[in-house]
Amino acid sequence: LAKTTQPISMDSYEGQEVNITCSHNNIATNDYITWYQQFPSQGPRFIIQGYKTKVTNEVASLFIPADRKSSTLSLPRVSLSDTAVYYCLVGDPTDSWGKLQFGAGTQVVVTP
Amino acid sequence: DAGVTQSPTHLIKTRGQQVTLRCSPKSGHDTVSWYQQALGQGPQFIFQYYEEEERQRGNFPDRFSGHQFPNYSSELNVNALLLGDSALYLCASSDYKGTNTGELFFGEGSRLTVL
Repeated sequence: LAKTTQPISMDSYEGQEVNITCSHNNIATNDYITWYQQFPSQGPRFIIQGYKTKVTNEVASLFIPADRKSSTLSLPRVSLSDTAVYYCLVGDPTDSWGKLQFGAGTQVVVTP
Repeated sequence: DAGVTQSPTHLIKTRGQQVTLRCSPKSGHDTVSWYQQALGQGPQFIFQYYEEEERQRGNFPDRFSGHQFPNYSSELNVNALLLGDSALYLCASSDYKGTNTGELFFGEGSRLTVL
């Protein structure tokens, strides 16, 4: 499982765009990049997953450059309810599936 | 459609005791994984159950054991509790024959405090 590095914390104001970059220099060919969100005293929640280029859903966008050694989770126009810990994970869903390797995550704090 | 449910939500034990935590997976899911999350840290993988067998295991001692029942529900047992076992224990379910996207559905956890 590839190791990931992401910032410990980020602060933002309501309505701004938040971009969290994750480094994964040792990503393998079959690895996907997945992001989870976790609120206090709750289990993590799947946000988005991608392999290359750009993926967008109703919650976020995921940008992956051609070398795939990093990725950026983009949260558009954040609100107070987006205050949470965000985890970047890298792995092969068909191999490490079910065995996710979480790091410490990025604590995002949104203020009015 | 019920999501992943865990019980109990909170419990307090003393060192040396044993604890059993329970998990019911999301409807339609057949695989259960257990995670331990210490305060301020990310979840750490304990083990995964599919077809009533332990399929993968993380770096946890044999004091941690589990079981999966024919209805796909699961139990996590921890023997000889240590103070360091105090944590939020998370259960996650998935569908083995699904799209294999790696998406896990987590419950809200069982908060264990060891005194």
